[in-house]
Amino acid sequence: QVQLQESGPGLVKPSETLSLTCTVSGDSISGYYWSWVRQPPGKGLEWIGYIYYSGSTNYNPSLKSRVTISVDTSKNQFSLKLSSVTAADTAVFYCARRMYYFDSSGQKMYYFDYWGQGTLVTVSS
Amino acid sequence: SSELTQDPAVSVALGQTVRITCQGDSLRNYYASWYQQKPGQAPILVIYGRNNRPSGIPRRFSGSSSGNTASLTITGAQAEDEADYYCNSRDSSDYDLEVFGGGTKLTVL
Repeated sequence: QVQLQESGPGLVKPSETLSLTCTVSGDSISGYYWSWVRQPPGKGLEWIGYIYYSGSTNYNPSLKSRVTISVDTSKNQFSLKLSSVTAADTAVFYCARRMYYFDSSGQKMYYFDYWGQGTLVTVSS
Repeated sequence: SSELTQDPAVSVALGQTVRITCQGDSLRNYYASWYQQKPGQAPILVIYGRNNRPSGIPRRFSGSSSGNTASLTITGAQAEDEADYYCNSRDSSDYDLEVFGGGTKLTVL
């Protein structure tokens, strides 16, 4: 059973950088895509970005200028950095595995099959 | 703004059938996946691809798609199905981005 666990500070000051780590257990991080998703209190899910185990990344255009996702295969971890945070970045942050399969036309179909429990990060002075 | 549109709230009588829909241009090319989220918990995958259920998801959950609309159907809704449901797909650009719908709050009466 794959398990993901987010860790990092629960409180970050405005203008500083939010840093979170997701530790994967039960399977190797190699061979898969890994994502970060956030959810502001009382609101919906927002995709932040993903990283492939090889290090290639893709980010939500609305956050791209402030986001960096990295991977450490030796530790079976991947990480999120979000810079210049404001109160609007207060949210529960989830890490998730982005799985895929090939449909009948040979196209990749993606979905998020395993999620961490989430960690609340509050931006406040 | 979300490129996948969901009704904010839907209700269903206990034991009846309910359909939750998700609309977006990307759904013409990609299947939606569906997630159930209960208060204070992480989302759980309930449907992916054409109509696939992960292990442990009850058979009363099913998925379908037509044109730009994906649907999650719960046949014989149970009290424990009361939750928020989110659809997700790749977006309609060529840049391999992901997008979530705004979510639908399901109330089981």
